[in-house]
Amino acid sequence: DTEVTQTPKHLVMGMTNKKSLKCEQHMGHRAMYWYKQKAKKPPELMFVYSYEKLSINESVPSRFSPECPNSSLLNLHLHALQPEDSALYLCASSLVFLGANVLTFGAGSRLTVL
Amino acid sequence: KQEVTQIPAALSVPEGENLVLNCSFTDSAIYNLQWFRQDPGKGLTSLLLIQSSQREQTSGRLNASLDKSSGRSTLYIAASQPGDSATYLCAVLNYGQNFVFGPGTRLSVLP
Repeated sequence: DTEVTQTPKHLVMGMTNKKSLKCEQHMGHRAMYWYKQKAKKPPELMFVYSYEKLSINESVPSRFSPECPNSSLLNLHLHALQPEDSALYLCASSLVFLGANVLTFGAGSRLTVL
Repeated sequence: KQEVTQIPAALSVPEGENLVLNCSFTDSAIYNLQWFRQDPGKGLTSLLLIQSSQREQTSGRLNASLDKSSGRSTLYIAASQPGDSATYLCAVLNYGQNFVFGPGTRLSVLP
């Protein structure tokens, strides 16, 4: 298995909803990432988990809450989002954090906040 | 702080042309550089990874070169096809830092 799987592919939520994005990989990668991408912009790093521990939080608002239950799973819990949070959310993984290895991305979850 | 730029921002070519996409970075102390392809609304697909000790990598019609001293990488696409139409991003990894992405080059190959 050489894929990063993200669910759901599309999500529409109101500003008072609570939802979660899910990411899964079975490549034995020990680093997992959440990126946010707005239209026609490069991905922006949000969080990095290394060996299931949060290593990087790029000053992301607390309405985004990451969770890494095990080495294969990464979740992003969403609560009280704003319309400007609408974007493509990308999960990625690599063998290790800060190593000389390929960054593998999932297909993304398109989020729309009404 | 590493900064990555890509030229051109957009490119439209007829099918069959050979083309070159450019990526420049300000801090030459890189670990590796990776080229990605992104179709509209989709995730990123890794095309080529060049380690800092390498000068180039090839995969099919794609060839990526790296000149660390000048802070440049080029992605060469031979005999372009309409299916190559996408946005191409380069990402640079510095020692002790995260990947920094360039803004991308939007390529359109016309049949």
